[in-house]
Amino acid sequence: DAGVIQSPRHEVTEMGQEVTLRCKPISGHDYLFWYRQTMMRGLELLIYFNNNVPIDDSGMPEDRFSAKMPNASFSTLKIQPSEPRDSAVYFCASSFRLPSPQPQHFGDGTRLSIL
Amino acid sequence: QKEVEQDPGPLSVPEGAIVSLNCTYSNSAFQYFMWYRQYSRKGPELLMYTYSSGNKEDGRFTAQVDKSSKYISLFIRDSQPSDSATYLCAMKAGANNLFFGTGTRLTVIP
Repeated sequence: DAGVIQSPRHEVTEMGQEVTLRCKPISGHDYLFWYRQTMMRGLELLIYFNNNVPIDDSGMPEDRFSAKMPNASFSTLKIQPSEPRDSAVYFCASSFRLPSPQPQHFGDGTRLSIL
Repeated sequence: QKEVEQDPGPLSVPEGAIVSLNCTYSNSAFQYFMWYRQYSRKGPELLMYTYSSGNKEDGRFTAQVDKSSKYISLFIRDSQPSDSATYLCAMKAGANNLFFGTGTRLTVIP
C-alpha cells in the first residue's frame, strides 16, 4: 500500500513568490494533517482536516498561509507571498479514526527554502 | 513554557549500549504518549505508544510513562547502528492534537 505522497520533495524559490505544496494521503484515511518542522521549534501542527473539512487551523502562522482539501485524495498548502522565515520542512500526515491513538502516517516532507 | 520539553542532544553511544531518551510535559490532561523515529530526510514513523501510566515493551524498546512526574522515557537495549535517528516524543489528550517534542538525535557508533 502506498504511503503518504508529498510533492515536490524540494523547493527553492525567491521571497515574494507563491509556493504550493501537495499531499496525497493514504487511501481510506479520513484525517489529514499539515506540519512544519524546524530545528528551533520542532514539529508544529499547522492545520488538520477531517473528511475534507478544516477542523483546526489555529497553527497557521498568518494569512499568507492557506490550505485546501478539495477531495479525499488531495490537499494543498499554499504560501503567498513567501518569506525567508517560512524556510522549513513541511510534512503531511494522514490517519484513520481519531480519537483513538491511531498512528499518523507521515510523508517524507517538502524541504522549502525561501531565498 | 512549551507543552513538551525534550533534550535535543545530540547523543552518541557505542554499539550495544543502553540508550535512555526522555521528555517532560506540563499538561496533566495528556493521556496518550508516543515515540516516533525519524531517519534523515524522512518523515517520522510511529515506534511505540502507551496509554496513561506504566511500561510497554517491544523487542529492544521499552516505553515508560510516569504521569505523577509528567515524565516519559524510551529505553533502547543492545543499541544498533541502524537505531541512529532522531527520536521524537509526542502526546495527546483524547481527541486533541498531538504535541511533539523537538527530538533527540541519536548516533550509535559501530
